[in-house]
Amino acid sequence: SAVISQKPSRDICQRGTSLTIQCQVDSQVTMMFWYRQQPGQSLTLIATANQGSEATYESGFVIDKFPISRPNLTFSTLTVSNMSPEDSSIYLCSVGTSGLLDTQYFGPGTRLTVL
Amino acid sequence: AQKITQTQPGMFVQEKEAVTLDCTYDTSDPSYGLFWYKQPSSGEMIFLIYQGSYDQQNATEGRYSLNFQKARKSANLVISASQLGDSAMYFCAMKRGSARQLTFGSGTQLTVLP
Repeated sequence: SAVISQKPSRDICQRGTSLTIQCQVDSQVTMMFWYRQQPGQSLTLIATANQGSEATYESGFVIDKFPISRPNLTFSTLTVSNMSPEDSSIYLCSVGTSGLLDTQYFGPGTRLTVL
Repeated sequence: AQKITQTQPGMFVQEKEAVTLDCTYDTSDPSYGLFWYKQPSSGEMIFLIYQGSYDQQNATEGRYSLNFQKARKSANLVISASQLGDSAMYFCAMKRGSARQLTFGSGTQLTVLP
């Protein structure tokens, strides 16, 4: 399985600021995803990070709020822009292949608190 | 639309006993994969086990087994010989044929009692 790291592991931010979360994988992967987990909730997919092109966003998530970059097959960033307390969540990077039964592995997550 | 349902918000089990965590799903795709993840309080998501829709036998991984009943659309996780370290949130998830992202259930908080 791939080894995935995320930076930062946690942060406390002020309302109105932005935070960029990095996801680094130790091998090239086809698919990279960003999920959000609000307190006490399940995981919700924000977007699929596409290498060399714009990310594919899920309903309810927009590029202006969550810009995503994926410059190569091992690295991606998620920015949470103009933050509000409602953005306080765990943000998780996930990687996998395009195979249906191939397991998706997760990074350790970034725990974000917005004051 | 696909949907994953976990009806047990919380479960308790005595150490060394077995426990079953329920998961039902709904999809019209003939091809899909079912996954279970464990999330300790640290927040990381740990992959446990998966089952493909065409698999004839139930998946097993050490103390974890998946009770797959296709006709009932259920994919329950069975943990044998529970340990204190099994206390965590457990999520059932599905990948369907035309998509590659996971859809998650609401999770079950398992507490193992000494």
